[in-house]
Amino acid sequence: NAGVTQTPKFQVLKTGQSMTLQCAQDMNHNSMYWYRQDPGMGLRLIYYSASEGTTDKGEVPNGYNVSRLNKREFSLRLESAAPSQTSVYFCASSEIGYDNEQFFGPGTRLTVL
Amino acid sequence: TQLLEQSPQFLSIQEGENLTVYCNSSSVFSSLQWYRQEPGEGPVLLVTVVTGGEVKKLKRLTFQFGDARKDSSLHITAAQPGDTGLYLCAGAARNAGNMLTFGGGTRLMVKP
Repeated sequence: NAGVTQTPKFQVLKTGQSMTLQCAQDMNHNSMYWYRQDPGMGLRLIYYSASEGTTDKGEVPNGYNVSRLNKREFSLRLESAAPSQTSVYFCASSEIGYDNEQFFGPGTRLTVL
Repeated sequence: TQLLEQSPQFLSIQEGENLTVYCNSSSVFSSLQWYRQEPGEGPVLLVTVVTGGEVKKLKRLTFQFGDARKDSSLHITAAQPGDTGLYLCAGAARNAGNMLTFGGGTRLMVKP
């Protein structure tokens, strides 16, 4: 089992460009999450999907959109990238009823110039 | 908004020393998790504590959940270079849909 996979691993964008970060999990989990990690700030939730067909905003959703394509895949889109979105992005998944113990992907390091 | 504060932010010690990392909040959590993250990787779950006062041991790592379920600690005995990494605590609260609130992390370096 691959667990949670993310593509790409690294990305450099110019201000105003758009891109989509891909995430897939093979653990048959219902819930999936997108976080960003900035130095000294831990992980902050951008969006989550409690189950297939639903998505909800997290703590820092502005400038992002998400799509829960199916049970396995959850993508994060930046429509018009800004330097403030330079960060490391992590996708995670979990199963309901297990204290929300989450399994993380390896991350995407995004730089916006 | 629920906040989790971790201390210290950075810790550099010699192999063989003991250390304790703290995770504090003014909010009550239904459970608290500890993760370890290595450079270039995502966080990996170490343990979940769910009962006030609970103590769990994982080899040389001891995790404790406060009686009031507002704080937790991670104690490492005889630290080894392989313990180097970023340690994150995360609290889940049922009144927040069990979403996780993460602390800012403690970056540990264990020198040989």
